[in-house]
Amino acid sequence: DSGVTQTPKHLITATGQRVTLRCSPRSGDLSVYWYQQSLDQGLQFLIQYYNGEERAKGNILERFSAQQFPDLHSELNLSSLELGDSALYFCASSVPADPTGELFFGEGSRLTVL
Amino acid sequence: GENVGLHLPTLSVQEGDNSIINCAYSNSASDYFIWYKQESGKGPQFIIDIRSNMDKRQGQRVTVLLNKTVKHLSLQIAATQPGDSAVYFCAENRGPYGNNRLAFGKGNQVVVIP
Repeated sequence: DSGVTQTPKHLITATGQRVTLRCSPRSGDLSVYWYQQSLDQGLQFLIQYYNGEERAKGNILERFSAQQFPDLHSELNLSSLELGDSALYFCASSVPADPTGELFFGEGSRLTVL
Repeated sequence: GENVGLHLPTLSVQEGDNSIINCAYSNSASDYFIWYKQESGKGPQFIIDIRSNMDKRQGQRVTVLLNKTVKHLSLQIAATQPGDSAVYFCAENRGPYGNNRLAFGKGNQVVVIP
């Protein structure tokens, strides 16, 4: 158990809809990262938050947005969903100022868009 | 885009033998290189990292080798066990410092034959 909690574990929805994925980082971790894992693209970095502020952006679509709340939990919002958005979405957290790249991943939210 | 690639898609290894997983990377500026393991239905799990100023680092039953001349990274697993069956990803930490923005390779499946 990594200590990172993600909900829901599975989500099935239709094209055009909007969903929210939730993540609680490990206790004490200030950074939260979102990654998308699909069969054809592998693990893709989406966005990072640090103590409530956006720190880095990766290949995140404009239809997607995220935020980190004062209690450090984070939400990833996916809107106008398309079939190609079907993927595993992982949240990860890390120890403040750890430069090595050791991230603690949750078990992911599997999104299926029909 | 992000480009960290693995040579072999699947490695079958007899239990007790050593495993070697290879990875090519593209960004010479990365400060840390990391190996993650992902078991079925779980999120990636940190195995070991190596800083760019090192060429070898050992952990428990694992050794990571870094050859910056040819931009090659490898993970050696000694005395492979059934629990080592998983997908292994190499990743570069593209930072900047403390941001832990990881670029992952596409993964290499390791199957341990009992």
